[in-house]
Amino acid sequence: AQSVAQPEDQVNVAEGNPLTVKCTYSVSGNPYLFWYVQYPNRGLQFLLKYITGDNLVKGSYGFEAEFNKSQTSFHLKKPSALVSDSALYFCAVRVFTEYGNKLVFGAGTILRVKS
Amino acid sequence: DTGVSQNPRHKITKRGQNVTFRCDPISEHNRLYWYRQTLGQGPEFLTYFQNEAQLEKSRLLSDRFSAERPKGSFSTLEIQRTEQGDSAMYLCASSTRQTSQETQYFGPGTRLLVL
Repeated sequence: AQSVAQPEDQVNVAEGNPLTVKCTYSVSGNPYLFWYVQYPNRGLQFLLKYITGDNLVKGSYGFEAEFNKSQTSFHLKKPSALVSDSALYFCAVRVFTEYGNKLVFGAGTILRVKS
Repeated sequence: DTGVSQNPRHKITKRGQNVTFRCDPISEHNRLYWYRQTLGQGPEFLTYFQNEAQLEKSRLLSDRFSAERPKGSFSTLEIQRTEQGDSAMYLCASSTRQTSQETQYFGPGTRLLVL
């Protein structure tokens, strides 16, 4: 089955420090990978995606992600965390179906940035 | 703002009642998805429309659930004879026709509580 795993339930980081939220994937064929962020009682906001090309993908709000094929990982990173980055982060993989596709999500990682 | 909208944002109902949720996708997006998110979990795919045709349904979508997308615009998700286990956030997403760059954009969700 095609899936993603987020090994950390929660990540704590001090404001101004770099942050990493981890994601590993298991897919057959080429992976199409996504990161979304969810603020309390809100829907999901798209941050970035990897389809093909450069392994370092830049996205919204200063976030970036590094695709590593040998380690089957797609970790989300930011050089300098802000308190406002505190939220729930989801990694997802696109799974192709008979008539289209769907996203399969990880369980999510809570990011807490402390001032 | 021309993002995905969902109504109502919150719904409290008693077990056994029927509920209906509405999703208005981004205009010109011909693909529409419904997902369900329970506490502490990532969203799970429920169903998918391309224009007015419902092309995919998850096994999660029991026969108490029905979704429609008349005229290929807005969509409704109805749950009949609600059960406490139906309590969740119901998320709608839309996208343009499938290319490798397809990105699903999510609405704010409808939070359902079944008492």
